[in-house]
Formats: sequence, C-alpha cells, structure tokens
Amino acid sequence: EAGVAQSPRYKIIEKRQSVAFWCNPISGHATLYWYQQILGQGPKLLIQFQNNGVVDDSQLPKDRFSAERLKGVDSTLKIQPAKLEDSAVYLCASSLTGTSGRANEQFFGPGTRLTVL
Amino acid sequence: AQSVTQLDSQVPVFEEAPVELRCNYSSSVSVYLFWYVQYPNQGLQLLLKYLSGSTLVKGINGFEAEFNKSQTSFHLRKPSVHISDTAEYFCAVSNNDYKLSFGAGTTVTVRA
Repeated sequence: EAGVAQSPRYKIIEKRQSVAFWCNPISGHATLYWYQQILGQGPKLLIQFQNNGVVDDSQLPKDRFSAERLKGVDSTLKIQPAKLEDSAVYLCASSLTGTSGRANEQFFGPGTRLTVL
Repeated sequence: AQSVTQLDSQVPVFEEAPVELRCNYSSSVSVYLFWYVQYPNQGLQLLLKYLSGSTLVKGINGFEAEFNKSQTSFHLRKPSVHISDTAEYFCAVSNNDYKLSFGAGTTVTVRA
C-alpha cells in the first residue's frame, strides 16, 4: 500500500515570495491534516479536512496561509507572502474516518522542508 | 484541551543499554496515546499506540510503553538499543476529536 506522498521535498524561497506544497493521502483516507513543524518543536496542526470540507482551521494563519482539497483527495497548502518565521517542515497526514479508535491513527508523509531567506 | 510534556529533550545512551523516554499528558477526557519516531529528514512513523485495553503496549522495533492513568503518563521503553534507534521521538495524545497534540520531542543519540 502506498503511503502519503508529498512534494516538493525541499524548497528555498525569499521572504515575500509565494510557495505551494502538494499532498496525496493514502487511498481511502477521508481525513487529511497539514502540520507545521518548526525546528526543535513537535508538529502543530494547521488544518484538518474531512473529504473536501474543513473541519478545523483555527491554527491556520489565514492572512497568509490557505489550503484546499477540491476533490476530497489531493490537497495543496499555500503561503503568500512567506515570512522568515515560516521556515519549517510541513507535514501532511491522513487517517480513516469513523468513530473507532483506529480513526485516530494518522499516517504521515515525508514532509516538505521550507527555508525562507 | 490536552497538552503533552516530554520531560527529557536529549537522551544519550550507549548501544545495548536500556532507554526510557518519559511522557506526561493532561486531559480532562479519555485519551488515545501515541509514540512516533522521526529519523533524520523523514516523516513521522508510528511506533505504538494505546487506544484501549491492556495498559502495556508493544510496538515495532522492540519498543513498548505503559499507560498509567493515575499518573497521566505514557513512558516509552526499550531494553536494549541499537545505533539505528538514533532519532527523535514524539509522544502525542488525542481524544474523540481525532486531533493529535504533540510533545516537543526527545532526541535519542545511541553511541557505540
């Protein structure tokens, strides 16, 4: 079974530029998450989708970050314009949907390491 | 809301020695608990999870953890580590909203 795919793996941009990250979740996983992991910290949830609807985006800095999951499968996270403090690894994860405990198990992609200069 | 505290940021250990990584959580409701490992330049891989049932949970690569409800802890252990266990380890908690809250991580460095 293929895992969660992310691209690109690395990205270097200047501040005030724009950048986009792509995620393809595990087939059949209706729930998709984007996390931001700053160096030396644990991942922090930015946004959670169920199918193509947003469940929670309370931690997403909406003045510069946006995310979409138009067909309920792939997702794109965008930053426009980027700031120095956005340098981090952006992780995508997916999980099954349901009421069982297994729905809590999230599978992570390799991440995109963003450096803002 | 729940929070996770990983009590050790760095744990150096010699090869074949045991290791314990400490994790405490705070939550007012029932929780699900997880340990993830992150190797350099890779994503997070699930080591083990506690959803219900036996409080002693066995995971991959010889790791195990014990859920202690009264002490709100979920410490991770391995009786004998290998060089390949050098990585960062994250404890995480969620409840029925399926959202993971992570600790800050513990870096394990295994020396020969």
